[in-house]
Amino acid sequence: AQKITQTQPGMFVQEKEAVTLDCTYDTSDPSYGLFWYKQPSSGEMIFLIYQGSYDQQNATEGRYSLNFQKARKSANLVISASQLGDSAMYFCAMRDEKGYNQGGKLIFGQGTELSVKP
Amino acid sequence: DGGITQSPKYLFRKEGQNVTLSCEQNLNHDAMYWYRQDPGQGLRLIYYSQIVNDFQKGDIAEGYSVSREKKESFPLTVTSAQKNPTAFYLCASSFPRRNSPLHFGNGTRLTVT
Repeated sequence: AQKITQTQPGMFVQEKEAVTLDCTYDTSDPSYGLFWYKQPSSGEMIFLIYQGSYDQQNATEGRYSLNFQKARKSANLVISASQLGDSAMYFCAMRDEKGYNQGGKLIFGQGTELSVKP
Repeated sequence: DGGITQSPKYLFRKEGQNVTLSCEQNLNHDAMYWYRQDPGQGLRLIYYSQIVNDFQKGDIAEGYSVSREKKESFPLTVTSAQKNPTAFYLCASSFPRRNSPLHFGNGTRLTVT
């Protein structure tokens, strides 16, 4: 069954330090994509980074990078040099072949609330 | 600027009333989606639409209805049959590509008392 698991309900990090947010997934499809979103307290969902299952390299976007371990079915988000504005909920999401055939839907994990301390 | 507009931001209704949430996009996306978010939970799919005049139930469609008469618009009606309608509702859209992210509106917070 398709599933996304984020085991850390809440995380704290000191400003300017790096932090890793965990995400494990489950799918039987060989082709899939993983997405990370940021949701500030205002509620909007901001797309951060994408990793395809066939991508040879880990994805990076500015201060965001993915630690993608396919055999372990994990796609952890690494935020380097944390800033106060990084305080938010972070969601991991997946689209596999089944999801692609169902209108391209994403399934989401339960999220991790990150708090950055000054 | 292209984007997705949801209105209103906050909505209050009495139990037993139907209510319609608006979602408009000018990104020229084919697919549109409605998700529901409850406190401390992830997003759950209510309905999605890939083309005009066609839509499909998601994982929690009971008590909801949608229409897709125009490519740009995908309104969601929360009916009186929805047992627990108080939630945060997010509309999204995307291109039909495997690596396309969903683009979200700012959400509507519905409170039913």
